Amino acid sequence: RKEVEQDPGPFNVPEGATVAFNCTYSNSASQSFFWYRQDCRKEPKLLMSVYSSGNEDGRFTAQLNRASQYISLLIRDSKLSDSATYLCVVDQTGANNLFFGTGTRLTVIP
Amino acid sequence: GAGVSQSPSNKVTEKGKDVELRCDPISGHTALYWYRQSLGQGLEFLIYFQGNSAPDKSGLPSDRFSAERTGGSVSTLTIQRTQQEDSAVYLCASSSPPLGELFFGEGSRLTVL
Repeated sequence: RKEVEQDPGPFNVPEGATVAFNCTYSNSASQSFFWYRQDCRKEPKLLMSVYSSGNEDGRFTAQLNRASQYISLLIRDSKLSDSATYLCVVDQTGANNLFFGTGTRLTVIP
Repeated sequence: GAGVSQSPSNKVTEKGKDVELRCDPISGHTALYWYRQSLGQGLEFLIYFQGNSAPDKSGLPSDRFSAERTGGSVSTLTIQRTQQEDSAVYLCASSSPPLGELFFGEGSRLTVL
């Protein structure tokens, strides 16, 4: 089983829509969780960290469900500029490396 | 520039040749990571350096791959006897502290003919 699994999509949504992505992880002892964004042919950039209590940053909400070992990203009022690949990232407990999911591609359509 | 710098940005080589990829992390960042990303795929962890500790090499796919980090700063990833399946974008990232935000370079795109 992969350390981090995501639905690759693509998700094609109209402007203004709400879209949610889930990501599952295999190591129940993982402690650090992140969402990164990667634009086409660009390097990944941190979108937001994911905290146990859930956290919000503008139109973006991240949640962690430890019992089911998944994290989610909710994007409200989608903008054309949200079109990108969203990468789920989880630490490997006992090591300092981070595992990236394969990413979920989002396309926001006018 | 204050970001992570990688060179070369593009490298085309023939099968069997050796290549070196360079990463200059953000000054003061103690953690340095190498990942590779094949077309349409996610990031595959290769190796991790943290300060003066022994590197975590658990992601290196074969003994043809090696990396070093001199003086706790610049890192070089070396691929010996390149194969076509080595073709990918090799991404370097640095962070401080470890498991903090990773700042990526723009990557080195390797094509093995």
